[in-house]
Amino acid sequence: KQEVTQIPAALSVPEGENLVLNCSFTDSAIYNLQWFRQDPGKGLTSLLLIQSSQREQTSGRLNASLDKSSGRSTLYIAASQPGDSATYLCAVHDASGAGSYQLTFGKGTKLSVIP
Amino acid sequence: DVKVTQSSRYLVKRTGEKVFLECVQDMDHENMFWYRQDPGLGLRLIYFSYDVKMKEKGDIPEGYSVSREKKERFSLILESASTNQTSMYLCATRQDYGYTFGSGTRLTVV
Repeated sequence: KQEVTQIPAALSVPEGENLVLNCSFTDSAIYNLQWFRQDPGKGLTSLLLIQSSQREQTSGRLNASLDKSSGRSTLYIAASQPGDSATYLCAVHDASGAGSYQLTFGKGTKLSVIP
Repeated sequence: DVKVTQSSRYLVKRTGEKVFLECVQDMDHENMFWYRQDPGLGLRLIYFSYDVKMKEKGDIPEGYSVSREKKERFSLILESASTNQTSMYLCATRQDYGYTFGSGTRLTVV
């Protein structure tokens, strides 16, 4: 069964810093990988989707990479701002078997950007 | 943009009540999902549906059922609410470009 791990569980950085959030998964047979942002008490907002054939995706100050063979993805946030403070979730869409309709989530990294 | 609308942001229900959580999407997506989210446990899949009147159990279906009579609406039913069903409930749809989530329903069972 697919397992997704996010390290660190929490991260605090001063405003303006560049930072990297890590995500690892155990089964490389994935369809795609998606990064989400969640603000306290709210739903999930999609940030970036990387298809299994892609190496990276970019949106504004965000860049997500995917190394399927090693089971890793990173989310890079440039020039962090206090408004980036949220929990970031990594989710993997399995490509095979009983999990083919399911997303498997990591437990998230809680980011605090200090002004 | 796809919209996934959950009818209630906050609900408070009593133990033993039958509870309906509603989710509506506006983009004709076939696949719809219900998750619950709890501190320390993350998101867990309750049920999903890949077509009208079709449903599949997720990882934690016990105590829940679902209904999908129309493509755009997927309802989660708590047959007899219990305090351990106090949680954040999230509905989602899926297309090739990924998953889209609703804003969530915070359910408290007292």
